[in-house]
Amino acid sequence: AQSVTQPDIHITVSEGASLELRCNYSYGATPYLFWYVQSPGQGLQLLLKYFSGDTLVQGIKGFEAEFKRSQSSFNLRKPSVHWSDAAEYFCAVAGYSSASKIIFGSGTRLSIRP
Amino acid sequence: GAGVSQSPSNKVTEKGKDVELRCDPISGHTALYWYRQSLGQGLEFLIYFQGNSAPDKSGLPSDRFSAERTGGSVSTLTIQRTQQEDSAVYLCASSLARDSEAFFGQGTRLTVV
Repeated sequence: AQSVTQPDIHITVSEGASLELRCNYSYGATPYLFWYVQSPGQGLQLLLKYFSGDTLVQGIKGFEAEFKRSQSSFNLRKPSVHWSDAAEYFCAVAGYSSASKIIFGSGTRLSIRP
Repeated sequence: GAGVSQSPSNKVTEKGKDVELRCDPISGHTALYWYRQSLGQGLEFLIYFQGNSAPDKSGLPSDRFSAERTGGSVSTLTIQRTQQEDSAVYLCASSLARDSEAFFGQGTRLTVV
């Protein structure tokens, strides 16, 4: 069974600083990987996804993530955060089989320091 | 509709009562998921429907929880004999295919008093 670990519960960064949110997954084969964002009072929105090909994927709002098979990681990055990036971020994993559901990590709450 | 619709948006129920939560997925989406999000917690997987296959019920926390999906479209999550620990936001999502984005509804906030 697949699983996802987001080791950082809460991160605070200064506006304009760079950001990296960590995600490690467990799955027996190459997974599908996702990052979702949940802003206060809002629903979940997909930031980016990895299925195959280039291991560096670009997403919306200036986010990117890199799939590293050797480290079973899919860390989310942004070069310069904005106050509007304050939200909860969830990493998720699914398998190639159509019977495989999407499993989410416990989330990382991002706060932005003015 | 344009997105995943869940109803009701809020539900307050007395301990021991049964509740039904409804999810209308995006038309044509074959996959449908239910998740539970407790205050300050992540998304806990509950159940997954994929086309005509038997649903994956491995995340249902107890036999008080059940779900069905009629005609490959609307889904209902039923919680029998509700307990206070069932209080959470219940989220539904649907997707077109395995490699497609899962679109989430706004959720049903369930409060058991």
